[in-house]
Amino acid sequence: SQKIEQNSEALNIQEGKTATLTCNYTNYSPAYLQWYRQDPGRGPVFLLLIRENEKEKRKERLKVTFDTTLKQSLFHITASQPADSATYLCAYPRTNSGYALNFGKGTSLLVTP
Amino acid sequence: GAVVSQHPSWVICKSGTSVKIECRSLDFQATTMFWYRQFPKQSLMLMATSNEGSKATYEQGVEKDKFLINHASLTLSTLTVTSAHPEDSSFYICSTTGWGSYEQYFGPGTRLTVT
Repeated sequence: SQKIEQNSEALNIQEGKTATLTCNYTNYSPAYLQWYRQDPGRGPVFLLLIRENEKEKRKERLKVTFDTTLKQSLFHITASQPADSATYLCAYPRTNSGYALNFGKGTSLLVTP
Repeated sequence: GAVVSQHPSWVICKSGTSVKIECRSLDFQATTMFWYRQFPKQSLMLMATSNEGSKATYEQGVEKDKFLINHASLTLSTLTVTSAHPEDSSFYICSTTGWGSYEQYFGPGTRLTVT
């Protein structure tokens, strides 16, 4: 069955460093992957979408890569700030013809001053 | 992106009663909305896909008679938890997709506590 894994439950880094979060998937070849940010007690907020034919996508301090050979996506936050502290979720479509998503458990990022 | 609201933001109810949660798309006509449930420290789990004017599609293991979904208009979908039990206590979140895009726009969520 399809499976999505975010390898770290929690990641602590110092302000100014680059945070790198990993998302691995198995038994499936998604047409795209998405990354979301979720703050405690709130709904997720969309950050980035990367398609299978794109190696890399950037948005301000965020960068996402998609390696279909490794079945892995990496999510980077450069020059991290305490305000970046949140849970980051990886998601992919349940089928390549629909919009419903499967989500990973998320990685809780803590950026300390 | 679409702006989605949910009401109430939190609710406490007694076991055996029913609770209705509203999900509204404020600036977008949403033909499709999704309902998720999230337990503490767990991932979002899709419960059902709600389509305007037709019956919802429920995920395996989700009781459609317990979680009633109505999507009567392009801006409103409701989830009614019937005969609630303490194990139904969770964070319920709805979402919709933007026009012609795959990203989802989520509501702020509803925290349900069943005592």
